[in-house]
Amino acid sequence: EDQVTQSPEALRLQEGESSSLNCSYTVSGLRGLFWYRQDPGKGPEFLFTLYSAGEEKEKERLKATLTKKESFLHITAPKPEDSATYLCAVLGGGATNKLIFGTGTLLAVQP
Amino acid sequence: NAGVMQNPRHLVRRRGQEARLRCSPVKGHSHVYWYRQLPEEGLKFMVYLQKENIIDESGMPKERFSAEFPKEGPSILRIQQVVRGDSAAYFCASSPTGWDEQYFGPGTRLTVT
Repeated sequence: EDQVTQSPEALRLQEGESSSLNCSYTVSGLRGLFWYRQDPGKGPEFLFTLYSAGEEKEKERLKATLTKKESFLHITAPKPEDSATYLCAVLGGGATNKLIFGTGTLLAVQP
Repeated sequence: NAGVMQNPRHLVRRRGQEARLRCSPVKGHSHVYWYRQLPEEGLKFMVYLQKENIIDESGMPKERFSAEFPKEGPSILRIQQVVRGDSAAYFCASSPTGWDEQYFGPGTRLTVT
């Protein structure tokens, strides 16, 4: 069964303190791994898609990387506005296009 | 350039009533997905539709829940005879193809009293 596990569940950082969020997955035939950001009371906001091991994507202070078993979301010199829940999801093989989500990492960046 | 639109944003129903949730995908997107998010749980897939077709409804309860995406108009998620356990945030997403990133709407928060 396809499964996604995110760690840590919650992370508190000081402004400027870099860190990484982890997403480990088991899936048959990975077709894509997606990172989203979700603010309270809002829908997930798309950040990145990664398709194959070794791939990296960057956007402002965020960088996503992918291996055959896990993905990391690196946050460099975070700011308070980076505070949110970060969700990881995988698209597996087969005819369905449903995303399997992890439960997320709640990030709080303190000034 | 509107994104995914959902309405209503908040919906309160008494036990036994019907709930209708609407979703208009991004213009040009023909793939629509519904997910449910319960407190302290992750997003769970419910159903995947293309125009006039249900492709995968494996995540949807077999009773009381139905979904459609007609040729014209929004996608509808319908919950009949709601119970308190149906209280959750329901999100719609759309994508241009089946394997691209999915773009999410703001969600409908259903409260069953």
